Amino acid sequence: DAKTTQPTSMDCAEGRAANLPCNHSTISGNEYVYWYRQIHSQGPQYIIHGLKNNETNEMASLIITEDRKSSTLILPHATLRDTAVYYCIVRYSGGGADGLTFGKGTHLIIQP
Amino acid sequence: GAVVSQHPSRVICKSGTSVKIECRSLDFQATTMFWYRQFPKQSLMLMATSNEGSKATYEQGVEKDKFLINHASLTLSTLTVTSAHPEDSSFYICSANSPGLAGGPTDTQYFGPGTRLTVL
Repeated sequence: DAKTTQPTSMDCAEGRAANLPCNHSTISGNEYVYWYRQIHSQGPQYIIHGLKNNETNEMASLIITEDRKSSTLILPHATLRDTAVYYCIVRYSGGGADGLTFGKGTHLIIQP
Repeated sequence: GAVVSQHPSRVICKSGTSVKIECRSLDFQATTMFWYRQFPKQSLMLMATSNEGSKATYEQGVEKDKFLINHASLTLSTLTVTSAHPEDSSFYICSANSPGLAGGPTDTQYFGPGTRLTVL
């Protein structure tokens, strides 16, 4: 799986949009971008994933650049409960037999 | 949908005893489940891949005789830490692979809430 690079930490004011970047310059054509987050002392929570089109669900939006070398996770109206470590993971489609490789992620801190 | 449970959520045991952790997919069937371990201030590390009806596949450096994995059904995998020692104290997390939506190519892993193991 391709490697990803994320900032170590970010701050965001409550109520504002939180934009979390991820670089995956070595991504291959059949690799998807997945985002998970881990709130302290809990298991990771799936947020969203995409291949090349922008995606949106009830939790977040995922913007993938045209060359697919980077992406941005957007939490539109951040709340204090969004404070967590966010992981960007690149994975082959249909890679059900493969475990996930977690990097260090981005520690997002939502400020009141 | 796509809920994964773990039991127990927290366990304290004496050195030398064995501890069993259960992982269940509650609303989907999972041919493949995974076990991860997370030490304080570190990221999750994959320990093993559990396949229903066959032997688990362990990552390099993980002792298969110490961490026994059984995946007897499509909704249940168990991890048994045998002869636990203080260095086995960690946060153990399982995940289950949910197939993609009908007609879709991708599948997604969903994680359990984790089990905090403390070995005295």
